[in-house]
Formats: sequence, C-alpha cells, structure tokens
Amino acid sequence: DGGITQSPKYLFRKEGQNVTLSCEQNLNHDAMYWYRQDPGQGLRLIYYSQIVNDFQKGDIAEGYSVSREKKESFPLTVTSAQKNPTAFYLCASSIGTPNEKLFFGSGTQLSVL
Amino acid sequence: GESVGLHLPTLSVQEGDNSIINCAYSNSASDYFIWYKQESGKGPQFIIDIRSNMDKRQGQRVTVLLNKTVKHLSLQIAATQPGDSAVYFCAENILGSARQLTFGSGTQLTVLP
Repeated sequence: DGGITQSPKYLFRKEGQNVTLSCEQNLNHDAMYWYRQDPGQGLRLIYYSQIVNDFQKGDIAEGYSVSREKKESFPLTVTSAQKNPTAFYLCASSIGTPNEKLFFGSGTQLSVL
Repeated sequence: GESVGLHLPTLSVQEGDNSIINCAYSNSASDYFIWYKQESGKGPQFIIDIRSNMDKRQGQRVTVLLNKTVKHLSLQIAATQPGDSAVYFCAENILGSARQLTFGSGTQLTVLP
C-alpha cells in the first residue's frame, strides 16, 4: 500500500540529546513537510521541502534540522537547542504544489525524560 | 494576523443524528479549503476539500458548505456513527501562491450511544 511511514511511534529524549524522527513515503510525492502538534492546538509547520536537496524553514524551525537527500525520505532532527520538544510530530507529503491537500503519516510522540 | 478558527472546541451528538462542525477564516483571499479528521494518536486523515468557485460539495455522508461572504466553512456529517468520534479541523490556503496551508485548532466530536 502507498503511504507515509513515520518511525518510531514513541521516542524519548534525554537532556542535551539530539534525536532523529524518520519519515518515508512511497507516494512519489515531490513535497514533504514536518509539523508539530501540541495538545488542543493546530498544526505548526517546522520545515518543508519541495524538491530533493532543498528545504525551507517553516514557522517554528528553531531547534530543528532536516535533510532531503532522497525523494522518499525527509528525516527531522530535534536538537538539544529545542528546549520544549515534547509534542506529537507529523510528517506529510503532497504531489508538488504547496497549496493543496497533504497526506499525513501516523505521527511520532516525542517526550523528554 | 491570519487565523483559521473554530466556533466550538467540543461537540457531542447522539448516534444517528447529523453533526455540523463550523470553521471561520479571516483571509478573504483564501480560495481552497480542506477538512481533516484526526483520531487520537493518529495522523490527520483527509475528508473533503472545496474550492471557492463552489458553495457546496458532497462526499460519502459528508457535505462541506462554503460561505465566502461571511468567511465561514462547515462540515456536515450525516447519521453520525461512533467511528466518527475524532478531532475535526479545517485548513485553508490560496491556490497558486507560495503560502502553506493554515490549520485551525480543531473541534472534538464525541458521538454518544
């Protein structure tokens, strides 16, 4: 089945540690996105990438980093500079345009130990 | 600033009744709207979208109504079922622009037996 796979489902981070969230898609979509979701709030855009080897900051990029070496993969690193990392992280993809509907993965819940 | 918001944070309906979830948007230039359903611990699932050249669009048991005059969007779910219990949120954008989707914070729909 085509879709977006995020792993792990749950992740714990220690103080000062960097952690990486995986996102893989087999939809052949050009664009990929990372969103952060806090309880009772809407989605906030962290980073997005419209083509391989290119990405742009979203509204809350500080403390995060990404790479887009392959069309299928868009990993997100939560660095130690992100002081409040506990949240539900969602990866999404779209066919190409940034304007139209996104398809989401099942999310990764990141918590701080 | 721009915002996409919902009138009610929670909505409870009896099984079998119709549900209406509302969404207000502030950007009069927005011309594309999407409704998503998000079950607990899962990623958002696309339900239906509508462009501003339409006032109404129907899917399976769902109807989206768009009132551009008052910048209001609604999602109607017919014969609500227990499986419809989830958070529903709308998103809006401007087609052809470089702008990313803007998401509302969501309404928690609870279906009562």
